[in-house]
Amino acid sequence: EVQLVESGGDLVQPGGSLRLSCAASGFTFSNYWMHWVRQAPGKGLVWLSRVNGDGSDTVYADSVKGRFTISRDNAKNTVYLQMNSLRAEDTAVYYCVRSTVGFSYGDFWGQGTLVTVSS
Amino acid sequence: DIQMTQSPSSLSASVGDRVTITCRASQGINSWLTWYQQTPEKAPKSLIFGASTLQSGVPSRFSGSGSGTEFTLTISSLQPEDFATYYCQQYHSYPLTFGGGTKVEIK
Repeated sequence: EVQLVESGGDLVQPGGSLRLSCAASGFTFSNYWMHWVRQAPGKGLVWLSRVNGDGSDTVYADSVKGRFTISRDNAKNTVYLQMNSLRAEDTAVYYCVRSTVGFSYGDFWGQGTLVTVSS
Repeated sequence: DIQMTQSPSSLSASVGDRVTITCRASQGINSWLTWYQQTPEKAPKSLIFGASTLQSGVPSRFSGSGSGTEFTLTISSLQPEDFATYYCQQYHSYPLTFGGGTKVEIK
């Protein structure tokens, strides 16, 4: 059974940092691209970043470029999102999403982890 | 960036109704479009990719069509479990972008 389990969401002050993790199981992790997508309370979905299968190539949305870093550890079947210089507008549920190589649609989503940025 | 516009933003329908949701892209995306369903407090679930290919396990009452800039998601006979919010997303180019969502509510 495919599983994606996010963790690391927390309450953090503006300007702070947080690292999200997503542990994968039930499939050959290195054969898939991985993405992070977020959803602010009551709002729609926003794509943030993608990492390829071996971690050598990454893409970011302009809104997080330079502040967020996506990475993966295939030995641990885990993808990460390092978030720095957090702002109130980064408050959202963050989803880890799997996609087939070359096709960036999410065929499986984790349940999400809540990040709240507030003083 | 490619803008994705969904309409309507919400609709009310009854069980058994035929429902159609439209998604427009600001530029041509061939068939690189996917649809998701999200129920409250849950993660999105993939329904359709390639504009018209049903994801494994998705009921056949769901169908997708279109190419280029105009796409539709149709539910042929609405079931109680279909009341949810539906999102389209283009994967023609980065940044990936989503439509604003269509909330399907019970009439």
